[in-house]
Amino acid sequence: DIQMTQSPSSLSASIGDRVTITCRASQSISNYLNWYQQKPGKAPNLLIYATSTLQSGVPSRFSGSGSGTDFTLTINSLQAEDFATYYCQQGHSTPITFGQGTRLDIK
Amino acid sequence: QLQLQESGPGLVKPSETLSLTCTVSGGSISSISSSAYYWGWIRQPPGKGLEWIGSIYYGGSTYYNPSLKSRVTISADTSKNHFSLRLSSVTAADTAVYYCVRRGSFMRYNNWGQGTLVTVSS
Repeated sequence: DIQMTQSPSSLSASIGDRVTITCRASQSISNYLNWYQQKPGKAPNLLIYATSTLQSGVPSRFSGSGSGTDFTLTINSLQAEDFATYYCQQGHSTPITFGQGTRLDIK
Repeated sequence: QLQLQESGPGLVKPSETLSLTCTVSGGSISSISSSAYYWGWIRQPPGKGLEWIGSIYYGGSTYYNPSLKSRVTISADTSKNHFSLRLSSVTAADTAVYYCVRRGSFMRYNNWGQGTLVTVSS
């Protein structure tokens, strides 16, 4: 199985800040990396797929980059609605696996 | 607009079989236009991360997480436009919110049900 490791596990930031979350795969997954946002009591919501393609309707302050084993999710100018938990997911091979999550809190 | 809705018991006894159904509206699980998609299940234990359970393709092929493969069956009823999950010999470790999902290219999950909490307890 491909292991996905996110860092940090949690972080605190203020509205207007720029934050970066990293995700590392245990082996190369090319660009088969997707990012989700999950708010309490809700299903995850797809933000970015194929490393850097923004899902329809997702604000442009979200961006993704990387390739191979190292990937990042960047949120520019944090808004109140961005405080949530973020997960990366590899789509290279089954079993599909997710990172453990990064909880983003208001400072 | 595609919608997925899970249904099934919220409480299952240890050693019994968990059974859930996902009803799809706003799209067909079996048409040629659905050939780009897989339908499946993901679960999330309370306060924890996401675990892929498995998927079914419109042609009927199934794919399971090896960690659950011996206990999982995913099937589809095209006449009712729904697909189902059966997980046998459950324990407390199977307590989770179960989501039904549609998977597109790059194995991205862009459609999710609202999720249903299943508790395993006597």
